[in-house]
Amino acid sequence: DAGVTQSPTHLIKTRGQQVTLRCSPKSGHDTVSWYQQALGQGPQFIFQYYEEEERQRGNFPDRFSGHQFPNYSSELNVNALLLGDSALYLCASSFGSGGEQYFGPGTRLTVT
Amino acid sequence: EDKVVQSPLSLVVHEGDTVTLNCSYEVTNFRSLLWYKQEKKAPTFLFMLTSSGIEKKSGRLSSILDKKELFSILNITATQTGDSAVYLCAFYTGNQFYFGTGTSLTVIP
Repeated sequence: DAGVTQSPTHLIKTRGQQVTLRCSPKSGHDTVSWYQQALGQGPQFIFQYYEEEERQRGNFPDRFSGHQFPNYSSELNVNALLLGDSALYLCASSFGSGGEQYFGPGTRLTVT
Repeated sequence: EDKVVQSPLSLVVHEGDTVTLNCSYEVTNFRSLLWYKQEKKAPTFLFMLTSSGIEKKSGRLSSILDKKELFSILNITATQTGDSAVYLCAFYTGNQFYFGTGTSLTVIP
Protein backbone atom coordinates (compact mmCIF):
# COMPACT_ATOMS: atom_id res chain seq x y z
CA ASP A 1 0.00 0.00 0.00
CA ALA A 2 1.68 3.17 -1.19
CA GLY A 3 1.72 6.03 1.20
CA VAL A 4 1.53 9.68 0.25
CA THR A 5 3.88 10.55 -2.60
CA GLN A 6 5.08 13.96 -3.75
CA SER A 7 7.03 15.20 -6.72
CA PRO A 8 9.50 16.61 -7.36
CA THR A 9 11.78 16.07 -4.36
CA HIS A 10 13.73 19.26 -4.88
CA LEU A 11 13.18 22.29 -7.04
CA ILE A 12 15.13 25.48 -7.68
CA LYS A 13 13.32 28.46 -9.18
CA THR A 14 14.01 32.13 -9.79
CA ARG A 15 12.03 35.00 -8.32
CA GLY A 16 8.94 35.79 -10.37
CA GLN A 17 8.62 32.30 -11.82
CA GLN A 18 5.76 29.91 -11.30
CA VAL A 19 5.93 26.41 -9.82
CA THR A 20 3.65 23.35 -9.66
CA LEU A 21 4.02 20.69 -7.00
CA ARG A 22 2.21 17.35 -7.10
CA CYS A 23 0.80 14.98 -4.51
CA SER A 24 -0.81 11.55 -4.62
CA PRO A 25 -2.73 10.61 -1.47
CA LYS A 26 -2.57 7.39 0.46
CA SER A 27 -4.86 4.69 -0.90
CA GLY A 28 -8.38 5.11 0.48
CA HIS A 29 -7.96 8.80 1.33
CA ASP A 30 -10.09 11.45 -0.32
CA THR A 31 -8.82 14.68 1.23
CA VAL A 32 -5.55 16.46 0.57
CA SER A 33 -4.06 19.30 2.60
CA TRP A 34 -1.02 21.37 1.73
CA TYR A 35 1.44 22.91 4.19
CA GLN A 36 4.46 25.19 4.01
CA GLN A 37 7.23 24.51 6.52
CA ALA A 38 10.03 27.03 6.91
CA LEU A 39 13.25 25.97 8.60
CA GLY A 40 12.81 25.61 12.34
CA GLN A 41 9.07 26.17 12.19
CA GLY A 42 6.01 23.97 12.33
CA PRO A 43 3.98 23.35 9.17
CA GLN A 44 1.68 26.22 8.19
CA PHE A 45 -1.66 25.24 6.68
CA ILE A 46 -2.16 26.51 3.11
CA PHE A 47 -5.42 24.87 2.03
CA GLN A 48 -7.39 21.64 1.89
CA TYR A 49 -9.11 19.95 -1.04
CA TYR A 50 -12.05 17.58 -0.92
CA GLU A 51 -14.30 16.48 -3.79
CA GLU A 52 -12.17 18.56 -6.17
CA GLU A 53 -12.92 21.79 -4.35
CA GLU A 54 -10.95 23.99 -1.99
CA ARG A 55 -12.74 23.57 1.34
CA GLN A 56 -10.51 25.35 3.83
CA ARG A 57 -7.79 27.94 3.44
CA GLY A 58 -5.11 29.30 5.73
CA ASN A 59 -3.59 32.76 5.70
CA PHE A 60 -1.83 32.59 2.32
CA PRO A 61 -2.13 35.01 -0.60
CA ASP A 62 -3.92 34.23 -3.83
CA ARG A 63 -0.55 33.49 -5.46
CA PHE A 64 -1.03 30.07 -3.88
CA SER A 65 -3.65 28.02 -5.68
CA GLY A 66 -4.43 24.38 -6.07
CA HIS A 67 -6.40 21.71 -7.75
CA GLN A 68 -7.69 18.25 -6.95
CA PHE A 69 -8.32 15.66 -9.64
CA PRO A 70 -11.01 12.95 -9.77
CA ASN A 71 -8.46 10.37 -8.59
CA TYR A 72 -7.90 12.54 -5.46
CA SER A 73 -4.39 13.59 -6.43
CA SER A 74 -3.63 17.26 -6.07
CA GLU A 75 -1.43 20.08 -7.31
CA LEU A 76 -0.16 23.18 -5.56
CA ASN A 77 0.65 26.15 -7.78
CA VAL A 78 2.59 29.19 -6.66
CA ASN A 79 2.82 32.22 -8.96
CA ALA A 80 5.22 35.16 -8.89
CA LEU A 81 7.64 33.39 -6.58
CA LEU A 82 9.31 35.37 -3.81
CA LEU A 83 12.49 34.54 -1.91
CA GLY A 84 10.30 33.98 1.15
CA ASP A 85 8.51 31.13 -0.58
CA SER A 86 11.61 28.98 -0.11
CA ALA A 87 10.48 26.17 2.19
CA LEU A 88 9.56 22.51 2.47
CA TYR A 89 6.09 21.96 1.02
CA LEU A 90 4.24 19.07 2.60
CA CYS A 91 1.16 17.33 1.39
CA ALA A 92 -1.01 15.36 3.80
CA SER A 93 -3.92 13.08 3.02
CA SER A 94 -6.78 11.87 5.16
CA PHE A 95 -10.18 10.29 4.94
CA GLY A 96 -12.41 13.27 5.57
CA SER A 97 -11.31 16.72 6.64
CA GLY A 98 -10.51 16.12 10.31
CA GLY A 99 -9.14 12.63 10.27
CA GLU A 100 -5.64 11.40 10.93
CA GLN A 101 -3.38 13.06 8.40
CA TYR A 102 -0.53 11.16 6.77
CA PHE A 103 2.24 13.26 5.30
CA GLY A 104 4.29 12.83 2.17
CA PRO A 105 8.08 13.30 2.09
CA GLY A 106 7.75 16.89 0.91
CA THR A 107 9.16 19.03 -1.87
CA ARG A 108 12.05 21.32 -1.01
CA LEU A 109 11.59 24.55 -2.98
CA THR A 110 14.45 27.03 -3.21
CA VAL A 111 13.80 30.43 -4.77
CA THR A 112 16.89 32.38 -5.83
CA GLU B 1 -6.03 34.28 17.29
CA ASP B 2 -5.77 30.50 17.53
CA LYS B 3 -2.33 29.32 18.54
CA VAL B 4 -0.40 26.41 19.96
CA VAL B 5 2.75 26.63 22.09
CA GLN B 6 5.15 23.78 22.70
CA SER B 7 7.74 23.49 25.44
CA PRO B 8 10.55 23.04 25.88
CA LEU B 9 11.90 24.16 22.51
CA SER B 10 14.72 21.64 22.77
CA LEU B 11 15.79 18.88 25.09
CA VAL B 12 18.90 16.70 25.40
CA VAL B 13 18.65 13.50 27.45
CA HIS B 14 20.54 10.25 27.93
CA GLU B 15 19.29 6.90 26.71
CA GLY B 16 16.93 5.38 29.24
CA ASP B 17 15.63 8.71 30.54
CA THR B 18 11.93 9.57 30.57
CA VAL B 19 10.83 12.82 28.93
CA THR B 20 7.65 14.85 29.00
CA LEU B 21 6.82 17.21 26.17
CA ASN B 22 4.19 19.89 26.59
CA CYS B 23 1.67 21.41 24.23
CA SER B 24 -0.70 24.18 25.25
CA TYR B 25 -3.27 25.77 23.02
CA GLU B 26 -5.69 28.62 22.70
CA VAL B 27 -8.40 27.89 20.22
CA THR B 28 -11.96 28.99 19.68
CA ASN B 29 -13.28 25.72 18.26
CA PHE B 30 -11.40 22.66 19.39
CA ARG B 31 -12.07 19.36 17.66
CA SER B 32 -8.93 17.26 18.16
CA LEU B 33 -5.24 17.39 19.04
CA LEU B 34 -2.61 15.43 17.17
CA TRP B 35 1.02 14.53 17.87
CA TYR B 36 3.60 13.92 15.14
CA LYS B 37 7.26 12.88 15.05
CA GLN B 38 9.41 14.56 12.40
CA GLU B 39 12.86 13.15 11.79
CA LYS B 40 14.01 14.43 8.42
CA LYS B 41 11.11 15.30 6.21
CA ALA B 42 7.61 13.91 6.58
CA PRO B 43 5.99 14.12 10.02
CA THR B 44 4.75 10.70 11.05
CA PHE B 45 1.47 10.39 12.92
CA LEU B 46 1.62 9.33 16.58
CA PHE B 47 -1.70 10.07 18.32
CA MET B 48 -5.00 11.84 17.88
CA LEU B 49 -6.83 12.92 21.05
CA THR B 50 -10.36 14.19 21.24
CA SER B 51 -11.47 13.41 24.78
CA SER B 52 -10.13 14.81 27.98
CA GLY B 53 -8.43 12.54 30.50
CA ILE B 54 -8.11 9.47 28.31
CA GLU B 55 -4.54 8.31 27.86
CA LYS B 56 -3.43 6.92 24.54
CA LYS B 57 -0.47 4.56 24.52
CA SER B 58 1.75 3.07 21.88
CA GLY B 59 4.70 1.16 23.24
CA ARG B 60 6.93 3.56 25.18
CA LEU B 61 4.93 6.61 24.06
CA SER B 62 1.79 7.88 25.72
CA SER B 63 -0.25 11.05 25.56
CA ILE B 64 -3.09 12.65 27.44
CA LEU B 65 -5.28 15.68 26.83
CA ASP B 66 -6.70 18.13 29.37
CA LYS B 67 -9.45 20.15 27.67
CA LYS B 68 -10.17 22.16 30.80
CA GLU B 69 -6.62 23.44 31.21
CA LEU B 70 -6.03 23.43 27.42
CA PHE B 71 -2.89 21.34 27.21
CA SER B 72 -1.58 17.96 26.21
CA ILE B 73 1.56 16.06 27.18
CA LEU B 74 3.55 13.44 25.34
CA ASN B 75 5.58 11.06 27.48
CA ILE B 76 8.40 8.90 26.22
CA THR B 77 9.82 6.33 28.64
CA ALA B 78 13.13 4.50 28.36
CA THR B 79 14.27 6.80 25.56
CA GLN B 80 16.41 5.43 22.73
CA THR B 81 18.63 7.23 20.21
CA GLY B 82 15.98 6.50 17.58
CA ASP B 83 13.61 8.78 19.47
CA SER B 84 15.74 11.77 18.46
CA ALA B 85 13.45 13.97 16.36
CA VAL B 86 11.26 17.04 16.41
CA TYR B 87 7.89 16.36 18.05
CA LEU B 88 5.02 18.45 16.74
CA CYS B 89 1.58 18.93 18.17
CA ALA B 90 -1.33 20.30 16.17
CA PHE B 91 -4.96 21.00 16.83
CA TYR B 92 -7.88 20.85 14.45
CA THR B 93 -10.64 23.46 14.66
CA GLY B 94 -12.97 22.07 12.07
CA ASN B 95 -11.54 24.51 9.55
CA GLN B 96 -7.83 23.87 9.61
CA PHE B 97 -4.90 22.40 11.48
CA TYR B 98 -2.60 24.62 13.57
CA PHE B 99 0.88 23.29 14.31
CA GLY B 100 3.27 24.31 17.03
CA THR B 101 6.95 24.96 16.30
CA GLY B 102 7.90 21.64 17.84
CA THR B 103 10.21 20.31 20.54
CA SER B 104 13.58 19.08 19.34
CA LEU B 105 14.56 15.98 21.30
CA THR B 106 18.12 14.62 21.21
CA VAL B 107 18.85 11.32 22.92
CA ILE B 108 22.55 10.64 23.48
CA PRO B 109 23.96 7.16 24.15
